[in-house]
Amino acid sequence: EDKVVQSPLSLVVHEGDTVTLNCSYEVTNFRSLLWYKQEKKAPTFLFMLTSSGIEKKSGRLSSILDKKELFSILNITATQTGDSAIYLCAVGSYRLDSGGYQKVTFGIGTKLQVIP
Amino acid sequence: NAGVTQTPKFQVLKTGQSMTLQCAQDMNHEYMSWYRQDPGMGLRLIHYSVGAGITDQGEVPNGYNVSRSTTEDFPLRLLSAAPSQTSVYFCASSYSTGFSKNIQYFGAGTRLSVL
Repeated sequence: EDKVVQSPLSLVVHEGDTVTLNCSYEVTNFRSLLWYKQEKKAPTFLFMLTSSGIEKKSGRLSSILDKKELFSILNITATQTGDSAIYLCAVGSYRLDSGGYQKVTFGIGTKLQVIP
Repeated sequence: NAGVTQTPKFQVLKTGQSMTLQCAQDMNHEYMSWYRQDPGMGLRLIHYSVGAGITDQGEVPNGYNVSRSTTEDFPLRLLSAAPSQTSVYFCASSYSTGFSKNIQYFGAGTRLSVL
C-alpha cells in the first residue's frame, strides 16, 4: 500500500521565521512528488519534483527531493501571515492497468500557523 | 477562466437520500477525479476517469457512482447516503500527458453532512 507521511502535523511560528516541512513516502512505481497549499478551500499546486537533488524555488518557498532516502522537504523563509495554511505532500505513481491514469497519494498535511 | 467548478458548496442530507455532486472543468483536461477529505485521513480517491465514457474505481468507491458522458462534466452520485459519507468532496482534473498527469487542479469543494 502506498504511503505518504508528513511531519510535523502542525506548527506555530512567528512572522519572519524559517520553517521546514517534511514528507517521507513509500510507493510502488514512483513518478513524481508534489506539494500543495490548502487554505480554506481547494488545494493549489506549488511544486512538482521528479529528480533527486534539484531544488525548485518560487519566491520564499523552495523544495528538494531525495529519491534514495525517499523524502522531500519544503522550506519557507521569512514567513508571513499569508503563509498560514495546510501544506499537502503527494506522490504520483503509475499503474499498468489504469489506462494511463497515474495515482496520486496524499499525506494528511502539515498545518502551519504564522502569528504576527 | 473558471477552472474546475463544483456545485453545490454545501449540502445536508438525511440517511437514505440520494444526490448528485456536480463537477465541470473548462481546461479540456482528459483526466478527472473525485476525492473525499476527512480529518486525519488526507485526500482519498473515490473514482476517476481517463476520458469520456471511461471511468474506474479509486480506493474508496463503495456507495458512489460516476459517469463521464462529456470531457467537461464528471458528476458523483451518492446512491443512498450514510453518515459515514459526511465529508468534504473535491473534484480535480489534470492533463493526460507526461508528468502533467500528476498535477491536479481542484474545485472549491462540497461540504456534505449526512444526518
